[in-house]
Amino acid sequence: GDSVTQMEGPVTLSEEAFLTINCTYTATGYPSLFWYVQYPGEGLQLLLKATKADDKGSNKGFEATYRKETTSFHLEKGSVQVSDSAVYFCALRGNAGNNRKLIWGLGTSLAVNP
Amino acid sequence: DADVTQTPRNRITKTGKRIMLECSQTKGHDRMYWYRQDPGLGLRLIYYSFDVKDINKGEISDGYSVSRQAQAKFSLSLESAIPNQTALYFCATSDIGTVGGYTFGSGTRLTVV
Repeated sequence: GDSVTQMEGPVTLSEEAFLTINCTYTATGYPSLFWYVQYPGEGLQLLLKATKADDKGSNKGFEATYRKETTSFHLEKGSVQVSDSAVYFCALRGNAGNNRKLIWGLGTSLAVNP
Repeated sequence: DADVTQTPRNRITKTGKRIMLECSQTKGHDRMYWYRQDPGLGLRLIYYSFDVKDINKGEISDGYSVSRQAQAKFSLSLESAIPNQTALYFCATSDIGTVGGYTFGSGTRLTVV
């Protein structure tokens, strides 16, 4: 079945460092891909998404490119801030048959130090 | 007001007690979901509903039940709470017509003692 694998955390960076959180997926057909962010004490929020191969989703300085050849959707940010400290979840939504629920990665915790 | 509202935000209950977690939404979405979040296990789907007359079990439905009282309301019940149901519970909604994501509530932190 469909699945999402993302790098384990925690990830600890200094402010202004470059961030990459890896996400790879297994799916039939052409899924849509998502990154969600969960700030401390809050629910998850959609950060960005991409619906077809080579699409780039972007928001708040974060970017991720849908790479079908490598089945990946890695999250990147050029210069992280302390306020980016959160848990990041990669997810996919299949397009085959009745697969209309999101399939989630386990989340990657990011801590950014001043 | 929040788009998806969960009540209570925090709850401590005793083993064996019945407890209900409530979720209401103003998004007008047809689909609603209940998840639990545990450290290291990510989000696990408990139940989901694609409309008022449609209820489906998720990955971990044992020990839980749900009721979809209206398009905007979806409640989760623990008939007889046990300590390993201590977790953070999230309600989410999504729209049938878009390749969109989910809108989450702020969560209910449940502790069973």
